[in-house]
Order: sequence, then structure tokens, then C-alpha cells
Amino acid sequence: GAVVSQHPSWVICKSGTSVKIECRSLDFQATTMFWYRQFPKQSLMLMATSNEGSKATYEQGVEKDKFLINHASLTLSTLTVTSAHPEDSSFYICSARPAGAWDTQYFGPGTRLTVL
Amino acid sequence: QKEVEQDPGPLSVPEGAIVSLNCTYSNSAFQYFMWYRQYSRKGPELLMYTYSSGNKEDGRFTAQVDKSSKYISLFIRDSQPSDSATYLCAMSSSGGYNKLIFGAGTRLAVHP
Repeated sequence: GAVVSQHPSWVICKSGTSVKIECRSLDFQATTMFWYRQFPKQSLMLMATSNEGSKATYEQGVEKDKFLINHASLTLSTLTVTSAHPEDSSFYICSARPAGAWDTQYFGPGTRLTVL
Repeated sequence: QKEVEQDPGPLSVPEGAIVSLNCTYSNSAFQYFMWYRQYSRKGPELLMYTYSSGNKEDGRFTAQVDKSSKYISLFIRDSQPSDSATYLCAMSSSGGYNKLIFGAGTRLAVHP
């Protein structure tokens, strides 16, 4: 149990285009989902926390207009990188916290974004 | 100063060795401590979870927390090549309700 999927697993896009990444909890309902970014050989940096049905809370330094997060249901959150640039190339990982479980997060497999 | 410090390695050990991975932290409010294993190009997988100080054992893995020293450790006994991965420590002040603060991760290679 406690499986989180991400789609796509990798994506290459041209500079200036927008890319949407989906995060799904497959066998549980997630009231809260988290989006992280990980650069090569670096740790996970939290970008934003999203609660189902409400606006996401962004970490300091993360542009909310550039990284659009939608958490429309208890099993799906999306991250849209708008007007992507090469510096946005990174590994994006989501995690989901099951409803009623305050003490753990289950991570997705990640999405590798390359912006040309 | 980073809130969580972790030596990035890489750490290379022979199969069967005991591996010691460590993190130090500066925020005394941290009470929940986790170790994640991350294989290349994959998401992190929770290995161990401990609350406050003390030891926790699960198979070949032992997690230790010393809050007085702000120091946590993960020991891997009888290491296997399949243990080769990056190990990330993470901690929070209020379980999953507060955000997790991750260490940089230590790359471990166990060679046959």
C-alpha cells in the first residue's frame, strides 16, 4: 500500500513552454501533498505544501506564479512549471500524507524535467 | 549554517561491512527523525522513523538519536550491494504536520 505515482517520469521541453506534472496517491486519500525539487547531488528542497481544496503554501523564494500547484482532489495534485527556462531543469518529487496520518509522507518516484 | 548537516560522501565499503551514517542539526525543536533511502533517479523511501532520543532497530538497520548532542545515526549491519544508494536524514519539529528538513544525503556504495 501507500503508493504515490508521478507522471510523466521525465520530460524535455523547449524554453518558454509550460509543463504539467501530476502526482497521484493510488491507494489512499491524501489531504496534504508536498512538492520538492532536487538538483544533482543535492538534497530535497521543499517548494510548496498543498492541501486539498485550498491554495498552496509556497516556501520562501519559490515563485507562486511560475510554479502553479493545484490540489483538486484527495488523490491528485498537479505542478505546472510555466514559461520554463533551462534553470528550471531539475528533479521534481511529490509526496503525500494520508488523511489522518500526521507522522509520515510517501514519496513519488520523481519527474526529471529538462528545459532546452 | 544549514539546519541539518550531512556528509555527502561518497562512502565506499566492502560487502558485509558495518556502515555508519550521521547527521547533525542545530534546531533543538526537532523531535521527529527519519532516514530515507533514495536510489538513483527514484523518489525517497522511508527506512526508519524515530521520535525523540533513543535507539530503534529494524532488521539490519539501527537508528540512534542523541538529542543532547543534536546528532543522529543510521547503522547498517552486514551491508549488501543492494544497499548502494543515497541515504537522506530528515527531521521535523512536529511529525508530518511540519515540513521535513532534509540533509544533503550520503552516497553509499557497497562493493562485492
